[in-house]
Amino acid sequence: KNEVEQSPQNLTAQEGEFITINCSYSVGISALHWLQQHPGGGIVSLFMLSSGKKKHGRLIATINIQEKHSSLHITASHPRDSAVYICAVRSPSGSARQLTFGSGTQLTVLP
Amino acid sequence: NAGVTQTPKFQVLKTGQSMTLQCAQDMNHNSMYWYRQDPGMGLRLIYYSASEGTTDKGEVPNGYNVSRLNKREFSLRLESAAPSQTSVYFCASRTRQITYEQYFGPGTRLTVT
Repeated sequence: KNEVEQSPQNLTAQEGEFITINCSYSVGISALHWLQQHPGGGIVSLFMLSSGKKKHGRLIATINIQEKHSSLHITASHPRDSAVYICAVRSPSGSARQLTFGSGTQLTVLP
Repeated sequence: NAGVTQTPKFQVLKTGQSMTLQCAQDMNHNSMYWYRQDPGMGLRLIYYSASEGTTDKGEVPNGYNVSRLNKREFSLRLESAAPSQTSVYFCASRTRQITYEQYFGPGTRLTVT
């Protein structure tokens, strides 16, 4: 079973700061997902990565397959970025393409 | 499109009571999932269904049963609720596109007293 570790568990930042959230996993994967859980509980997908780097607006996600590590960066952070960010890895086998989830990073951005 | 819907949003049960959590998706996805989310832990897979008519156990299936009623609907049943089943339950469905992105319902907050 893949072990997925996120750091930090909690992060408080001032508006405008550059934020980095890290994710490491123990076993080879076919892809890694970053998700965002809003304060109201809803979960949405942000990125799916199998190599390299992806960028959506102020969010950038990178993955290093050899080091089994991914980072999620937020540039020019804003209070509306406050949420729980969840890393999940996809097993390369199995018909349902199951995900194993990290426990999440609670981000609070203060105005 | 409503995406993934779940009912109810909140539920309080007494130990030993039964209930069914309902989930439906309108995106024509084959795969559907039930997860539970507990404080300090990642989402854990209870059951999944790779296609209509098939279901399989996930990481934490004990105390639960599921039914894939048709392609749209995937229900989760607690036959005899226990306090350890107090949790937030999420249903999700997955696209077959290359991203294999999962779409989540809004969640059901269940308390068992």
